[in-house]
Formats: sequence, C-alpha cells, structure tokens
Amino acid sequence: DQQVKQNSPSLSVQEGRISILNCDYTNSMFDYFLWYKKYPAEGPTFLISISSIKDKNEDGRFTVFLNKSAKHLSLHIVPSQPGDSAVYFCAADTNAGKSTFGDGTTLTVKP
Amino acid sequence: NAGVTQTPKFQVLKTGQSMTLQCAQDMNHNSMYWYRQDPGMGLRLIYYSASEGTTDKGEVPNGYNVSRLNKREFSLRLESAAPSQTSVYFCASSSRDRGSYEQYFGPGTRLTVT
Repeated sequence: DQQVKQNSPSLSVQEGRISILNCDYTNSMFDYFLWYKKYPAEGPTFLISISSIKDKNEDGRFTVFLNKSAKHLSLHIVPSQPGDSAVYFCAADTNAGKSTFGDGTTLTVKP
Repeated sequence: NAGVTQTPKFQVLKTGQSMTLQCAQDMNHNSMYWYRQDPGMGLRLIYYSASEGTTDKGEVPNGYNVSRLNKREFSLRLESAAPSQTSVYFCASSSRDRGSYEQYFGPGTRLTVT
C-alpha cells in the first residue's frame, strides 16, 4: 500500500511555461510535505516544503500547494528552465522521525 | 562544510560477500537515514537513527544492519549480499529542529551484487 503516489512518471514542458507536478497521499497523519529534486548520479536535494497548517508556500519560481481535504499537493515551477530538468520526489512526514517518498516524476524542460 | 559524505561511490560484490557502507555528516544533525533506490522507484527507508545511540527499522530492513557510531557517523552493513540488494544507496541527515524536516543527502553508493 503506497502512501505517497506520484501518478505521472514523466512530464515534458516548453521553456518559459509552467510545470505542474502532482502528488497524492493516503495517510491523514502526514503533517509536513516536502519536494526534492534529483539530478542523475547525485543525491536528492531539498527544494521546498509546506506544513499542513498552510495551503501554499512560495520560494522564487517554486510554489507548493496543499489541499488537505483532497489529500493532494502540487509543485508549480514558473517559468520553467532547462536546468529544472530532473527527477522530482514528493515526500510526506508524520513528525515520527521519518519521511515517506513517492516514486518520482521526471521533468524535461525543452529549450 | 562537506555536508553528507558516503564511501565507497561504487562497489561490486559476489553473492554471500559482506561489506559496510560508510556515511558521515558535519552539520551536527541528530537524525540520520539509510535509503535504497531501485530503478523507477522512489527512496525506500532501510534504517534510521533519531539520535546517537538509537536505531530503528524502516520499510525494508531485512538483510541489513546499522551502527550509529557517534553523532557524525552512521554505517550500513550487508552481512551476506544477495542480487536483490543491487541498488543505489543514499545516506541522509536531518536536524528536525524547530519543525525543520528537510533531509540532506549524500551522493550515493552504487552497489552491484553478482
């Protein structure tokens, strides 16, 4: 039973347009959500997070939206740049000391 | 600051051999983690350590042991390697202070078991 799901294995967008990456979760005990970015042959790097008491968090070109009633979060990248091409992982945390990760979405931004 | 370092970067083992993957962090973090990532899949937690002297099983602990040697170091041991343990292994650390849950990852160890 996968508690964090990223249903789109891949996404391709044109440079300058918006990229929207989605993530669904099933465990209502999750209270903190994170997005990580991963380039090939490197470890994941933290991108942005959101607490369950908020519905939006912005950091430059990156915005995360949380819809608790739908158990859904999304990452918006505006404008998308070729350097954003990477695998993006959604993760959820219960304050129990560990995070649960989704399987990732590979984003390709075409020049 | 080096962040999180892992050794070795690559390793090839024969079935039944043992090895220890080393991880160290210089960020004074309390929590440390070991994950494996298989092709097309996310990160699955093997073991984690919330603080020096404590370790807990994650989602896929079978076939592995860990040691939290001190606050900086967290090692992962494969006692008898199996082909199913072929994977990329990532170590991570986190402070978990003041509601900060983000983890910092090492570059990974690519392990092949033949």
